[in-house]
Formats: sequence, C-alpha cells, structure tokens
Amino acid sequence: EPEVTQTPSHQVTQMGQEVILRCVPISNHLYFYWYRQILGQKVEFLVSFYNNEISEKSEIFDDQFSVERPDGSNFTLKIRSTKLEDSAMYFCASSVGFGEKLFFGSGTQLSVL
Amino acid sequence: DAKTTQPTSMDCAEGRAANLPCNHSTISGNEYVYWYRQIHSQGPQYIIHGLKNNETNEMASLIITEDRKSSTLILPHATLRDTAVYYCIVRAGGAAGNKLTFGGGTRVLVKP
Repeated sequence: EPEVTQTPSHQVTQMGQEVILRCVPISNHLYFYWYRQILGQKVEFLVSFYNNEISEKSEIFDDQFSVERPDGSNFTLKIRSTKLEDSAMYFCASSVGFGEKLFFGSGTQLSVL
Repeated sequence: DAKTTQPTSMDCAEGRAANLPCNHSTISGNEYVYWYRQIHSQGPQYIIHGLKNNETNEMASLIITEDRKSSTLILPHATLRDTAVYYCIVRAGGAAGNKLTFGGGTRVLVKP
C-alpha cells in the first residue's frame, strides 16, 4: 500500500538554527499538509498546500515557517530560526483530492536544544 | 467544524467488541464524521467516515444516530494492536471541508 514517507525520523538542532523537514507524499495525491504534536498534546494543523501554494494555515504557522514543493515528489517544511517550543513531532499528510481522507506519515521528532 | 466530545479513556477485553462513543450535538447537515486512530505517537491512521448512513469497512463499523448528534465506532474483535488513541472528528463538507481538527480523543487499552 502506498504511504507517506518522512525523513529524518529524528532531528536534533540548536535553538536559532534552521531546519528542513522532508516528506514524500503519495504519488497521485494533490493536497499536502503539515501537522505537529507537542508531547502529550493534541495533533495540531499547521498548513495545507495545493497547486504550489498555501491553501490554508493556522495561527501557529507564522513567518518562521515555510513550505515548498521543490520538485515533483518532495514536500518540505522549513523552520527558519528554531525555538525551544518548536520541539514536537511533525507529521506530513497528503490526500488525493479536496475533502478526501488524509494519509499521514510516521513523523519527524524535532528536538530543539 | 463542530466540536466533539469523547470519553478520555476506556478499556476493553481482547477478542470482544469495542464500542467507542462520540457526541457531536452541533453537527450541521453537510458535516461528516471521521474516525482516526494514533498508535503510540505514530502518524494518525484513517479508520472510517460517514455522513448519515451507517458504514462498515475491514477495520470497523460506524453507527450514526438518526439525528446525527452522536455516533459509535465499533471495533468488532479488538486485538492488542488496537490499543491506541481514537479520534472522532467532524469535518465540514463542500468548499470548507479540507483540514482535520483533532481533539483529545479516547485512549483505548485492549487487555488480554
């Protein structure tokens, strides 16, 4: 069964550093998402992306965050200058169309020291 | 999206049916009920969804009340691998319905 792939599974960085989290969505999917989950808390929506632009974003997704689809297969989340509070599990998801079910990757655990 | 209310946790016995309730009394006519689960910090996994009719697939059954104000997810024969947090999510249909908004979910522990 096709799946959403995320790399790396764990990322450790120093506060203030830039990080890029990578995702390969399912190949025929057109909508892409990033969610995050701080330890012990809810899964929170960050952003959705379609047709090479952001279609929706949450209040969490401020100027420190950006997303990109640099080629036909990858979807990335960049955090420009990481803060301690950015430590979380970041999940990428994709769906074949608008309103269709989301398929999630296994996540990248980001630790900011 | 309409808010949902789920019990914080529940236990069930291996091999028995697990019935997970969800209240969504403010659901509107074009909103769907989705169920996802999250096994130990893995990515959420889609289980099933429905609008007003009962639905069944290889994983579970979804029973939605006639007034649509509540629903029940049924895992017919729970196994230890079904231990997870189960999320009931109401998702708008039409042009407004793309992102999923997760609540706290029900932590289900399947015991031998």
